[in-house]
Amino acid sequence: DTGVSQDPRHKITKRGQNVTFRCDPISEHNRLYWYRQTLGQGPEFLTYFQNEAQLEKSRLLSDRFSAERPKGSFSTLEIQRTEQGDSAMYLCASSDPDRVAEAFFGQGTRLTVV
Amino acid sequence: AQSVTQLDSQVPVFEEAPVELRCNYSSSVSVYLFWYVQYPNQGLQLLLKYLSGSTLVESINGFEAEFNKSQTSFHLRKPSVHISDTAEYFCALTPNTGTASKLTFGTGTRLQVTL
Repeated sequence: DTGVSQDPRHKITKRGQNVTFRCDPISEHNRLYWYRQTLGQGPEFLTYFQNEAQLEKSRLLSDRFSAERPKGSFSTLEIQRTEQGDSAMYLCASSDPDRVAEAFFGQGTRLTVV
Repeated sequence: AQSVTQLDSQVPVFEEAPVELRCNYSSSVSVYLFWYVQYPNQGLQLLLKYLSGSTLVESINGFEAEFNKSQTSFHLRKPSVHISDTAEYFCALTPNTGTASKLTFGTGTRLQVTL
């Protein structure tokens, strides 16, 4: 089963440090999404790629956040100068272009900023 | 803009009892509707989806949901729950526009099944 893979699963960092997360989508999926989920809430959309092009960014994605998908395969999400409010689960999902509406999620990266 | 409302944050139920998790949505365009399940410290798993056709959709583990356009609802039901159904359930939608398919989620309902 080669589902969506995220690394690391857990990250604890000190406030002000930079962190980077990686997502490997299902290989034939050209669409990749990042979501953020805080405690007691549903996931909130952050950004979306089709191949290497970043097509949409939420207003939740402040200037400290940057996402890339340089070769249209894996993606990285970087948070600079982390703040305690960045503590959350960061979820990655991918979808097949022929099955637009069905997204498959990874297990997430749980970030704790202390 | 679209939104999803899950009014029940927690639903306690005894094993083998029926359950209904409520979901209402708001959208100015046609939508696809989904239910996802999340077990502790896990990602989201698709439980079932409504894209078109029959308004009643079923999952492989006994859940079903009915799309009701007039009431803008997509409630999730199961006639007899099991301990293993204990999890967080999220209702979600995406516009039926054939382009970008980001999901808008509700705040979730925690289903707690006890003996």
